[in-house]
Amino acid sequence: GAGVSQSPSNKVTEKGKDVELRCDPISGHTALYWYRQSLGQGLEFLIYFQGNSAPDKSGLPSDRFSAERTGGSVSTLTIQRTQQEDSAVYLCASSSYKGEKLFFGSGTQLSVL
Amino acid sequence: TQLLEQSPQFLSIQEGENLTVYCNSSSVFSSLQWYRQEPGEGPVLLVTVVTGGEVKKLKRLTFQFGDARKDSSLHITAAQPGDTGLYLCAGAKTGTASKLTFGTGTRLQVTL
Repeated sequence: GAGVSQSPSNKVTEKGKDVELRCDPISGHTALYWYRQSLGQGLEFLIYFQGNSAPDKSGLPSDRFSAERTGGSVSTLTIQRTQQEDSAVYLCASSSYKGEKLFFGSGTQLSVL
Repeated sequence: TQLLEQSPQFLSIQEGENLTVYCNSSSVFSSLQWYRQEPGEGPVLLVTVVTGGEVKKLKRLTFQFGDARKDSSLHITAAQPGDTGLYLCAGAKTGTASKLTFGTGTRLQVTL
């Protein structure tokens, strides 16, 4: 596709359930980022992948959060045992090289009831 | 800890007015970016400034990076309804350009 694609666009889940969020970056982009945005505020960094390097996981808020990137392309963000405070918009972005222009997807709105 | 504070948080103005949004930090950044985000969409990059004191213009938008590279401002001249959105600044620190620190955001509404 022409842009960063995220799915689902909306996800409603019950507290305690696991969820998986998917991100398809722009073809050829080596860097992929996950951010979290609460109530239309600023973005909170979660995790960063660059090529085959070990990911920078320093922003993950707890061990319930994990992410992987298969084949240097598609990424999945997994949240285990979801809590109400996990409710937010999860944004994925990709870039051709770290620090360069980030292209964001439209995000996944996660609601934990 | 929020490293980048934006002000004001909310701004509602009429078409044709001028406005300035500020992005302040106690930390030095190697570069600073400004994004605009519309409801239901991801942020879209407007500009990147990398040199202290740098001024960049994008049509009616003027961006400035502070001399000490700790702060930035966005000035909009003759605002239009199409300028409505959430404006976010984001700083990259030397050696960690991969991890942008985003500001708290400024929500702008421009009415007719």
